[in-house]
Amino acid sequence: DTGVSQDPRHKITKRGQNVTFRCDPISEHNRLYWYRQTLGQGPEFLTYFQNEAQLEKSRLLSDRFSAERPKGSFSTLEIQRTEQGDSAMYLCASSLRRGTGRTDTQYFGPGTRLTVL
Amino acid sequence: DAKTTQPPSMDCAEGRAANLPCNHSTISGNEYVYWYRQIHSQGPQYIIHGLKNNETNEMASLIITEDRKSSTLILPHATLRDTAVYYCIVNGALINTGTASKLTFGTGTRLQVTL
Repeated sequence: DTGVSQDPRHKITKRGQNVTFRCDPISEHNRLYWYRQTLGQGPEFLTYFQNEAQLEKSRLLSDRFSAERPKGSFSTLEIQRTEQGDSAMYLCASSLRRGTGRTDTQYFGPGTRLTVL
Repeated sequence: DAKTTQPPSMDCAEGRAANLPCNHSTISGNEYVYWYRQIHSQGPQYIIHGLKNNETNEMASLIITEDRKSSTLILPHATLRDTAVYYCIVNGALINTGTASKLTFGTGTRLQVTL
């Protein structure tokens, strides 16, 4: 257990429905990342937050995806009008950015597996 | 980010050392080498990272060549629980500017530990 939790662990939904996932990072971590992993592939970066600010979004993050981190603690990832191609594992990671000159190590949660029927 | 090359799969007998190689010939001076592993259906687990010097922790050792173009992750006494996909990642964060260290995963090495 890394200290990063995600909820739910599994979600099955019908095409066209909206879904929302939650990530709770390690408490003192100021950076939070979202990744997506499809079968047989490594995780792919989606977006990241430093505190409450969303600082970068991947081209993979279509307009149907939105992420928030309102108070700089937990984060939510919402997918609107789900499509079968959204079926994947959605992973959250957090890290502590201490300042320039240092790298920050990301610790991953267990993921939320989404199946769109 | 620099690209990494890993063998797609390896086998190791339980109790023996597992040596997982990684090539990163285009690595630049401020890029770290990170290793993660992923056991089936779980999130990636951080193992170790390094810049220039060899590193060791309770999980593994990381040997980085002097020219930094390749590295080897060593699991000294592999167990069945070490069966996983191992990812070698070069972290392209621009450390001095504070850019996020988003990780670029490849397809990794599938390590199978057998009795």
